[in-house]
Amino acid sequence: DVVMTQTPVSLSVAIGQPASISCKSSQSLVGTSGKTYLNWLLQRPGQSPKRLIYLVSKLDSGIPDRFSGSGSETDFTLKISRVEADDLGVYYCLQGTHFPYTFGAGTKLELK
Amino acid sequence: EVQLQESGPGLVKPSQSLSLTCSVTGYSITSNYWGWIRKFPGNKMEWMGYISYSGSTSYNPSLKSRISITRDTSKNQFFLQLNSVTTEDTATYYCARWTFDYWGQGVMVTVSS
Repeated sequence: DVVMTQTPVSLSVAIGQPASISCKSSQSLVGTSGKTYLNWLLQRPGQSPKRLIYLVSKLDSGIPDRFSGSGSETDFTLKISRVEADDLGVYYCLQGTHFPYTFGAGTKLELK
Repeated sequence: EVQLQESGPGLVKPSQSLSLTCSVTGYSITSNYWGWIRKFPGNKMEWMGYISYSGSTSYNPSLKSRISITRDTSKNQFFLQLNSVTTEDTATYYCARWTFDYWGQGVMVTVSS
């Protein structure tokens, strides 16, 4: 299985400050189609996961452009330019290139 | 709007089978792929498998032969069956479209005698 190594485990950030989460895969996530199926999800407390970003850097509808995704092959990053209170929760990277699909261990974002 | 809703018992005894239903509205399950994901106590998430628009399935090998995903197209529902459960199957179970853009609210299942 593809191992998704996500860091840090937790992140304490003040409102208005930036945040960054890293996700490294144990093998390239470039699929046979040439596309890279790397997603970022946010699970807020008491809610189901919500996809924020797909195909490495494409923002889902309604997701503010404070969020951005970047990376290639095995190294990916989620950045929040200015953290807001609504951003609290657990962030996951998820690869959908290789079976079985696999998740990172999660990064808990808390307010400082 | 696409909506998914899981339903099923919240308590299952060890060695028995876990059965859950995912009801989909706003989109036909004969289009696209539909899957099950679970979140264990703590933060660990596991993709369990999916059923395609044609009814074919793909499962996580970690679940070996214990898992089955089926569907009822007349009701626009798909189902999860997990056999021979143990306490390690205690988790919150989610159904989702395979692109992970639509999720149900989740159902917590505890395996305990």
